[in-house]
Amino acid sequence: SQQGEEDPQALSIQEGENATMNCSYKTSINNLQWYRQNSGRGLVHLILIRSNEREKHSGRLRVTLDTSKKSSSLLITASRAADTASYFCATPPLFGETSGSRLTFGEGTQLTVNP
Amino acid sequence: DAGVTQSPTHLIKTRGQHVTLRCSPISGHKSVSWYQQVLGQGPQFIFQYYEKEERGRGNFPDRFSARQFPNYSSELNVNALLLGDSALYLCASREVGAYNEQFFGPGTRLTVL
Repeated sequence: SQQGEEDPQALSIQEGENATMNCSYKTSINNLQWYRQNSGRGLVHLILIRSNEREKHSGRLRVTLDTSKKSSSLLITASRAADTASYFCATPPLFGETSGSRLTFGEGTQLTVNP
Repeated sequence: DAGVTQSPTHLIKTRGQHVTLRCSPISGHKSVSWYQQVLGQGPQFIFQYYEKEERGRGNFPDRFSARQFPNYSSELNVNALLLGDSALYLCASREVGAYNEQFFGPGTRLTVL
């Protein structure tokens, strides 16, 4: 089973609306990351939130983390057509000197922003 | 600065053949990881190499192997290809540190016929 599971699997909105994607995970973490992927290309790192943080902002992105519920959410405000992509949450193992290089990804949310 | 590069971009093979995929990390990054992404799914971790040593292996059969060279570039080898090996293979590099991000290459699209 997946460490990270996103919902919804697919989301279609109009430009200017906000998009919210959720991620749940199963084991303890020291950080959770969100990535974006355009049309089956390489992934781009969006934001990392540490386990002792509850909320983090980066431009139009807002990420929350609830370690008691083992869940995170990614909010994209004032969406644009260019935000159309797949979004994945990912977590590294808790221990290990180089554990951050061994990410477990969820299945992703396909976001479509209609102009 | 150049990002993570991968070659080839696309590859078509037939069942039973062998394939070698290559990756060059960002300059200064000593950790390289490989992921397999089947269409419609999230990436699955295959291998991690750091300082030319294997530091992690995902749940993949022994047909999959990899190595890292002194210049920190890496190769992923897959023997006896199966139809199910058709996927996007992603390479990522990062500086070691608990909160450092991974930088991904554009991937190699492998099709097994």
